[in-house]
Amino acid sequence: GQQLNQSPQSMFIQEGEDVSMNCTSSSIFNTWLWYKQDPGEGPVLLIALYKAGELTSNGRLTAQFGITRKDSFLNISASIPSDVGIYFCAGPTGTASKLTFGTGTRLQVTL
Amino acid sequence: DADVTQTPRNRITKTGKRIMLECSQTKGHDRMYWYRQDPGLGLRLIYYSFDVKDINKGEISDGYSVSRQAQAKFSLSLESAIPNQTALYFCATSDPGVPGNEQFFGPGTRLTVL
Repeated sequence: GQQLNQSPQSMFIQEGEDVSMNCTSSSIFNTWLWYKQDPGEGPVLLIALYKAGELTSNGRLTAQFGITRKDSFLNISASIPSDVGIYFCAGPTGTASKLTFGTGTRLQVTL
Repeated sequence: DADVTQTPRNRITKTGKRIMLECSQTKGHDRMYWYRQDPGLGLRLIYYSFDVKDINKGEISDGYSVSRQAQAKFSLSLESAIPNQTALYFCATSDPGVPGNEQFFGPGTRLTVL
């Protein structure tokens, strides 16, 4: 089946730094979704991308739908402590009835 | 109030016991899902349902069963719990009218099987 590989697996950064992470697939996706999971909570949808090349922002977060449709990128600017969590990419598979999730990027922010 | 709720939030049980996890939603979505999350493995789909009369197996359905009692309710059962079913369990919903199958998750149930 389709797999989504996220990089890096974990990051330790200082408050105020910018963050970049990516998600790659061996197959084409028509939609890319980015979720954040806070400790002890369920994933929350951050950004949805529907078109190759699309660049979408949500506050300090910016995500891009790769031109090849096999990758997506998430950037966080000026990180703050509440950015701590696990970031997942996801995309619809099969008849778009299911989502495939990446393995996540764990972000730690130090003061 | 939360759109997707799960009960219980935490449960400790013993091997061989029957366990039911419940999910309710007020989003009015037709589609509901159950996922399992293990450290380092991301989210894996157990079962999903597109309406009250529709039940589909996901990638890891063995050892689990589900019931869609109403549009708003979708429960997950472990008929005879085993220790390797210790995990975080999430319910999710989606609206088939929204492109990309954006899913909305509940807060999760932490299950420990001793």
